[in-house]
Amino acid sequence: AQTVTQSQPEMSVQEAETVTLSCTYDTSESDYYLFWYKQPPSRQMILVIRQEAYKQQNATENRFSVNFQKAAKSFSLKISDSQLGDAAMYFCAYRSLSNFGNEKLTFGTGTRLTIIP
Amino acid sequence: NAGVTQTPKFQVLKTGQSMTLQCAQDMNHNSMYWYRQDPGMGLRLIYYSASEGTTDKGEVPNGYNVSRLNKREFSLRLESAAPSQTSVYFCASSPSYASGTTPRAQYFGPGTRLLVL
Repeated sequence: AQTVTQSQPEMSVQEAETVTLSCTYDTSESDYYLFWYKQPPSRQMILVIRQEAYKQQNATENRFSVNFQKAAKSFSLKISDSQLGDAAMYFCAYRSLSNFGNEKLTFGTGTRLTIIP
Repeated sequence: NAGVTQTPKFQVLKTGQSMTLQCAQDMNHNSMYWYRQDPGMGLRLIYYSASEGTTDKGEVPNGYNVSRLNKREFSLRLESAAPSQTSVYFCASSPSYASGTTPRAQYFGPGTRLLVL
């Protein structure tokens, strides 16, 4: 079974600065997807960014980018020019492609990000 | 296009009572999921449905039943609520593997907060 580890329960960053959230995972599969979800105080789970394991190029979405290291099984999220609206819980998630239909997400325990004005 | 909707938003139950959590999606997705979120534990899969008419157990199915009423709707039932089922429940949906949409993220509803006394 796959596991996802987020070793930083809490992080803080000054507004306009850059912060990196860590995520490692354990799997024996060669093809899979990785995601970062954001959960603000409203509790809504919002997709931030996604990465396909077969792609070597790191995904980027505006101020959000990832550092995907497949051999190290590492998938960190970098937030540039942090804004107050980035304050939230961030969850790393792994999606297996081995079972048709059950493409469930395995989540890490989350990192709470605080933005300091 | 409302995405994934859930009702109710909040519910208080007494131990032993039953209730059904409703979920509907209007994105024509084949796969639907129920997760629970507990403090410090991320999200854990309760049940999933790969397509209309099929359901399967996830990581924590005990005490729950589900019904995939049609392609749009996927309900979660607690037959005899217990305090251990106090949690936030999320419904999610995603395109199926065969749809060709890549990468196939899951899209979440706003959650139902359940308190069992």
